[in-house]
Amino acid sequence: GENVEQHPSTLSVQEGDSAVIKCTYSDSASNYFPWYKQELGKRPQLIIDIRSNVGEKKDQRIAVTLNKTAKHFSLHITETQPEDSAVYFCAALVGSSASKIIFGSGTRLSIRP
Amino acid sequence: DGGITQSPKYLFRKEGQNVTLSCEQNLNHDAMYWYRQDPGQGLRLIYYSQIVNDFQKGDIAEGYSVSREKKESFPLTVTSAQKNPTAFYLCATSSGSYEQYFGPGTRLTVT
Repeated sequence: GENVEQHPSTLSVQEGDSAVIKCTYSDSASNYFPWYKQELGKRPQLIIDIRSNVGEKKDQRIAVTLNKTAKHFSLHITETQPEDSAVYFCAALVGSSASKIIFGSGTRLSIRP
Repeated sequence: DGGITQSPKYLFRKEGQNVTLSCEQNLNHDAMYWYRQDPGQGLRLIYYSQIVNDFQKGDIAEGYSVSREKKESFPLTVTSAQKNPTAFYLCATSSGSYEQYFGPGTRLTVT
C-alpha cells in the first residue's frame, strides 16, 4: 500500500552543525513531496516542497533532494539554530487521482547550544 | 492559517459517547482533510473531501464519520466504535497547489 517511512525518529545536533532527515516512499506515481515543521504546541507548517521534475531545491539554510529511481528524498538543514528545534514531517502526494498526502512518522530535532 | 478554525481546543467525553469536532474554513479551498496525531506516529489520515457532498476514507477511518454539506465546513464525528479516541485531531485544507494548511487542532480526551 501507500507508505512513507522517515528516519531517524529523533536527532540531536550541535548548534551550527547540519541535520539530515531521510524519507522513502512506496507509490512510484508520487510527484510532490512536501516537508512540514511542527513546533511544540503549534500546527504543522510547510517549510519546503519539491516536485518530481527537479532533483534538488534550496531555500536559504534548507534544502531538499529527491531520487525518484530509489524513491527517497531528504531534508538538509545547514548552520542549525535553536529555533530549528521542532518535529519535522516528510510527506508524499499519493492516490489514483493524486488526491491525498501521506505523512511520515516525524523526526524530533533538538539543537544543542 | 487564520482561515481555518477548529473548536473547541480541548474536549472531554465519557467513553461510549459520540462527539463531533468542528472544522470551518474561509480560504475557499475545495479540499479538506482530517488527521489524527499520536505521539511517535505522525499524522494519519482519517477522511478527506475534494468537493462538496463527496468524501473518501483515509487510512484509519474506522470509528469515524464525516459530512461535507458546505464548502466551508467538514465536521468529524468520533463514534463509540472508535477503540482509542483520545488523540490530537487536526483539520487541513488545500487548493490546487497541494500545500496543506492546518487548523490549530482539537485535543480530545475520552475517559
